Amino acid sequence: QKEVEQDPGPLSVPEGAIVSLNCTYSNSAFQYFMWYRQYSRKGPELLMYTYSSGNKEDGRFTAQVDKSSKYISLFIRDSQPSDSATYLCGGTSYDKVIFGPGTSLSVIP
Amino acid sequence: DARVTQTPRHKVTEMGQEVTMRCQPILGHNTVFWYRQTMMQGLELLAYFRNRAPLDDSGMPKDRFSAEMPDATLATLKIQPSEPRDSAVYFCASGLGLGASGYNEQFFGPGTRLTVL
Repeated sequence: QKEVEQDPGPLSVPEGAIVSLNCTYSNSAFQYFMWYRQYSRKGPELLMYTYSSGNKEDGRFTAQVDKSSKYISLFIRDSQPSDSATYLCGGTSYDKVIFGPGTSLSVIP
Repeated sequence: DARVTQTPRHKVTEMGQEVTMRCQPILGHNTVFWYRQTMMQGLELLAYFRNRAPLDDSGMPKDRFSAEMPDATLATLKIQPSEPRDSAVYFCASGLGLGASGYNEQFFGPGTRLTVL
């Protein structure tokens, strides 16, 4: 079993839709949780991160962590075609980030 | 505009050949990571360094892979001999590591796309 699980998709939504991306993890020692966005043929880029349980909002994006159920979520409001990418969730163990396999998202105009 | 650079961007080689990938981390970053990305396995951590010292290479096949940081501006990943199952995109990332202020972003390079025939 991988430490971080994620539905690979692909997920296809119409422009303007609310998108929910989800991950589960098994390592109770994870302290920080992050979402990276990866455009096709590019390296991943940090979208946002949270510490422990709770919510964090940044513009149209909200990250949510529930440590009791080991669940990580990313919500995208008013999705745009420019949000089309692969989204990688991850958790830190010291310096190491353990990533999920990524969910491919397409936002259709 | 500080960026992580990687060379080569693409590499096609034959099974059994040696492959060397290079990475120049962002100036001032003390932590360097090597990842491998495939469709099947996703993004896997191979090894990472802090202040040029290897901290963890448990994700790396020891018999054929080696990673080094000859100096603060260069990290290398070598595969010898290469095998078709090594075909993947290899990413280098740099950052400041987990510090007193919490998580520090890892900045990824553009990757080296390796094909082993």
